[in-house]
Amino acid sequence: QKEVEQDPGPLSVPEGAIVSLNCTYSNSAFQYFMWYRQYSRKGPELLMYTYSSGNKEDGRFTAQVDKSSKYISLFIRDSQPSDSATYLCAMTARGNEKLTFGTGTRLTIIP
Amino acid sequence: GAVVSQHPSRVICKSGTSVKIECRSLDFQATTMFWYRQFPKQSLMLMATSNEGSKATYEQGVEKDKFLINHASLTLSTLTVTSAHPEDSSFYICSAKGQGWGETQYFGPGTRLLVL
Repeated sequence: QKEVEQDPGPLSVPEGAIVSLNCTYSNSAFQYFMWYRQYSRKGPELLMYTYSSGNKEDGRFTAQVDKSSKYISLFIRDSQPSDSATYLCAMTARGNEKLTFGTGTRLTIIP
Repeated sequence: GAVVSQHPSRVICKSGTSVKIECRSLDFQATTMFWYRQFPKQSLMLMATSNEGSKATYEQGVEKDKFLINHASLTLSTLTVTSAHPEDSSFYICSAKGQGWGETQYFGPGTRLLVL
């Protein structure tokens, strides 16, 4: 079993819809959680960074962490065609420099 | 802030030659830099971690003599692919982390290497 599981998709939703992206993990030591967006042939771009459980909102993006369920989510409101990309979750434990990534979910927003 | 650049963005070389890829943190001092490799439609695979002034730590299965990493300053790390072969063709991405930033890594735009 992988430490981090993420549905690879592809996921297609109409413009304006709310998108929900999720990752589950098995390592209870993970405390730092990140979401990256990666456009084709580009490096990943940091979208959200959260520490431990709770919610964090930034514009149209909301990140949720539920440590009791070992489950993290990224919500995108009012989705736009420019949101079409691969979304990677990443996480790590305190003092561990390495990130453990999910496989990425390919998202397409249909105009 | 937190901008990481890579150069070149694309490189094509002949089999047997060496290729150097530069990674720079433009607006911060990177205490740690990371080198990843990514195959099409796959996630990132960590190759090595480097700290300024010390030897890089390579992941299991990564040949340190083939992938030479130099972290000469707090803003520059280089990856040299020595005696490149077609199977080394891939997308190479660096990332950097600043002191006091927790565990967040900021990524460069990537370098696409094609070995003929």
